[in-house]
Amino acid sequence: TQLLEQSPQFLSIQEGENLTVYCNSSSVFSSLQWYRQEPGEGPVLLVTVVTGGEVKKLKRLTFQFGDARKDSSLHITAAQPGDTGLYLCAGGPFLKTSYDKVIFGPGTSLSVIP
Amino acid sequence: ETGVTQTPRHLVMGMTNKKSLKCEQHLGHNAMYWYKQSAKKPLELMFVYNFKEQTENNSVPSRFSPECPNSSHLFLHLHTLQPEDSALYLCASSQEGTTVGDEQFFGPGTRLTVL
Repeated sequence: TQLLEQSPQFLSIQEGENLTVYCNSSSVFSSLQWYRQEPGEGPVLLVTVVTGGEVKKLKRLTFQFGDARKDSSLHITAAQPGDTGLYLCAGGPFLKTSYDKVIFGPGTSLSVIP
Repeated sequence: ETGVTQTPRHLVMGMTNKKSLKCEQHLGHNAMYWYKQSAKKPLELMFVYNFKEQTENNSVPSRFSPECPNSSHLFLHLHTLQPEDSALYLCASSQEGTTVGDEQFFGPGTRLTVL
C-alpha cells in the first residue's frame, strides 16, 4: 500500500517569514501534485511535477520533486496571510492499473499571522 | 472557479432522511470521484467512475449510493446516515489516460451535518 506522509502537520508563522513543507513516501510516483485548500472549500491544484529533480516556481512558491520521485518539498518565500490554508500533496501511482488511483497525504495546515 | 460545481453547499439532515448530493463538471473529463474529508483525517476516496462505469468502491457503507448518469454528472444518494457521517464531501474530476491524468479538479464541497 502506497502512503504519503507530510510534515509538519501544523505550522504557524509570522508574515514575511520563509517556510518549507515536506511530502515523503517509500514508494515511487509517476507524478506528484500539490494542492491548497482553504477552510470550507475544495482543494485547488497548484502544480504537478513529473521528472525526478524537477523544480517549478509559482511566484513565491517553489516546488521540488526528489531525484528518486519518492518525495517533494514546497518552499514559500516571504509568506503572506493569503498563503494560509491546508497544503496537500498527492501522488500518482507509478504502475497504473484500473485499481491504482492518486493517493493524498494528510496535509500541512499553515497559518500566516499578519 | 475550478469547473466543478457541487450542490448543496451545506446540508443538515436527520438520521432518517433521504437526500442527494449533486456534482457537475464542465471540463470534459472522463473520470469523476467522491471523497470524504473529516476533521483531522486525510481525504478518503469513496467512489470512482471512469466513463460512467464505477471502477472503485472503497468499502463504503451501503447507506451511500452513487449514481453517474453521464460523464458530466455525479450524484451521491444518502439515506439513514449516522452522526459520524458528518463531514465535507468533495467531488472531483480528471482526464484519465492522459499525461495529466493524475491532476484532479475539485468542487467546493458539501458540508454535511447529520443530527
